[in-house]
Amino acid sequence: QQQVKQSPQSLIVQKGGISIINCAYENTAFDYFPWYQQFPGKGPALLIAIRPDVSEKKEGRFTISFNKSAKQFSLHIMDSQPGDSATYFCAASAGAGSYQLTFGKGTKLSVIP
Amino acid sequence: DVKVTQSSRYLVKRTGEKVFLECVQDMDHENMFWYRQDPGLGLRLIYFSYDVKMKEKGDIPEGYSVSREKKERFSLILESASTNQTSMYLCASSPPPTGGEQYFGPGTRLTVT
Repeated sequence: QQQVKQSPQSLIVQKGGISIINCAYENTAFDYFPWYQQFPGKGPALLIAIRPDVSEKKEGRFTISFNKSAKQFSLHIMDSQPGDSATYFCAASAGAGSYQLTFGKGTKLSVIP
Repeated sequence: DVKVTQSSRYLVKRTGEKVFLECVQDMDHENMFWYRQDPGLGLRLIYFSYDVKMKEKGDIPEGYSVSREKKERFSLILESASTNQTSMYLCASSPPPTGGEQYFGPGTRLTVT
């Protein structure tokens, strides 16, 4: 089974701080790396995604950093806000012919005032 | 906006009952997915479908079956519900070329007693 390992399982950050969530993968065929955000009572929703031809992608306060040689990618949330409190999932898929996303186990982020 | 709806938000069933979970998407997506979400285990793929009447097993298909008679509708069936199938069930859909963004429904919290 292809795996994506996500850490930490839970994270508490002060308002205004930087939240960092890390993921590592094994399958070198993975070529699409999305992050999903899930609020309580809701389904996950795509937050930001990256392909391995770039090392970083930024959208507002959210940045994905990608290290192809280390087979790792991470989500950075700058100036974290209480409204960012949610569960975050990293995921990966392999090629246009792949139907499946392989998800990490999730990180529960709590941003405290 | 893409909308994925699930027939029930909460469902309580008895052990041995046959359970139907319904999912409808309104964006003419070819691909549809059923996941279960459990604390500490993340999202695990049960079944997916890439076309009407087509289905493929995911990572944890045991105890489940699916039906896709129309493009917009994907049903998950628990033939004989058991207590270990108590979980949050999430449906998702995605357009081709696959392996990309998935759009999730709000989930069905199933309790089997």
